[in-house]
Amino acid sequence: AQKVTQAQTEISVVEKEDVTLDCVYETRDTTYYLFWYKQPPSGELVFLIRRNSFDEQNEISGRYSWNFQKSTSSFNFTITASQVVDSAVYFCALSEATTSGTYKYIFGTGTRLKVLA
Amino acid sequence: SQTIHQWPATLVQPVGSPLSLECTVEGTSNPNLYWYRQAAGRGLQLLFYSVGIGQISSEVPQNLSASRPQDRQFILSSKKLLLSDSGFYLCAWSVGGRGPRYEQYFGPGTRLTVT
Repeated sequence: AQKVTQAQTEISVVEKEDVTLDCVYETRDTTYYLFWYKQPPSGELVFLIRRNSFDEQNEISGRYSWNFQKSTSSFNFTITASQVVDSAVYFCALSEATTSGTYKYIFGTGTRLKVLA
Repeated sequence: SQTIHQWPATLVQPVGSPLSLECTVEGTSNPNLYWYRQAAGRGLQLLFYSVGIGQISSEVPQNLSASRPQDRQFILSSKKLLLSDSGFYLCAWSVGGRGPRYEQYFGPGTRLTVT
């Protein structure tokens, strides 16, 4: 079965430190997509990035960067020079085919990031 | 642009009472719709998803049901709430279709406390 593991339950860093959130996945599909979401204290999940299984190029967006490695089935997320506003729960997700022909997400259990001033 | 609404934002209900949570999406047609539950401090559990009007797939057998009476309306219901139904309920939508590439967009959520 498909599975997403976020082994880090909670991470605390001091502002301006770099931090990496780990995500390891299991899938039998040859074509799949991976996602990262941010859940700030308000509760609403915010989409951050999508990555397909054929594109292993790392991506950078401002202070955020993502490292996708098929060989280790990992899709890690790094925040550079963290800020207090980065404090949130971060979820990694994997697309999975359903019996009805569409796709759903398998979410990891999330990593709570606390950035201290 | 697309927006997703959920109401109510907060709800306190006694055990055994009925429940109806509503989710509507604007600015898109034939979306895939999803209901998730998040228990306090926990991850997201997919409850139901729908690829079209009247088409509901259930992920976890439980005390809840879902309906999609209109293309962009998704309703989560219960006839009798249990204490274990407490949690944060999130509705999400994605572009309709059968590909895996579409990200989901989430609503603001409903925080349900069953007392």
